[in-house]
Amino acid sequence: GENVEQHPSTLSVQEGDSAVIKCTYSDSASNYFPWYKQELGKRPQLIIDIRSNVGEKKDQRIAVTLNKTAKHFSLHITETQPEDSAVYFCAARRSGYSTLTFGKGTMLLVSP
Amino acid sequence: GAGVSQSPRYKVTKRGQDVALRCDPISGHVSLYWYRQALGQGPEFLTYFNYEAQQDKSGLPNDRFSAERPEGSISTLTIQRTEQRDSAMYRCASSLGSSDREDEKLFFGSGTQLSVL
Repeated sequence: GENVEQHPSTLSVQEGDSAVIKCTYSDSASNYFPWYKQELGKRPQLIIDIRSNVGEKKDQRIAVTLNKTAKHFSLHITETQPEDSAVYFCAARRSGYSTLTFGKGTMLLVSP
Repeated sequence: GAGVSQSPRYKVTKRGQDVALRCDPISGHVSLYWYRQALGQGPEFLTYFNYEAQQDKSGLPNDRFSAERPEGSISTLTIQRTEQRDSAMYRCASSLGSSDREDEKLFFGSGTQLSVL
């Protein structure tokens, strides 16, 4: 089955800096890659997603890039703010399947 | 409803007891998923329904775990003869599940925190 690796496990940045979280996947048939943000004690919430026919997608301060050849995708957050502090999960879904396989998460800490 | 609703929010039980966890998906969502999330880990897939049909149960750890969605809406995850290793956050998620690609988006509930003593 699909295997998703996520790095780093923790990331500390200063407010205003950029943050990058990287994920790799194993199944070349995967074609949907969402990112979830989970604040402490809250449910995971979808923040951005990308499909395999697109190389990059942006939504204000967040962007996701996808390299199908290398089987990796990344989340980029610019001009970080303290409220960006949370655990971020990447996930992948294989074409024709409905289940998402998640990475282990990255704890992002943004210091004022 | 406004979102995916799960109950109870917390469940403490003694080893060997059976527990039933309930999920009420977003109104109109065809697909319903159960995930388990250990502390500091990503959600781990358990099982998935399309309407009332259980399409995939490959993630259920063993035969003590079962799930149903008899009327294609509310779902119940049942764990029989609970063990301490079953302690975790159990999360339900739903999606529209139609052929429209936008309907693939998964929305999670707040979860049920299960503690087996």
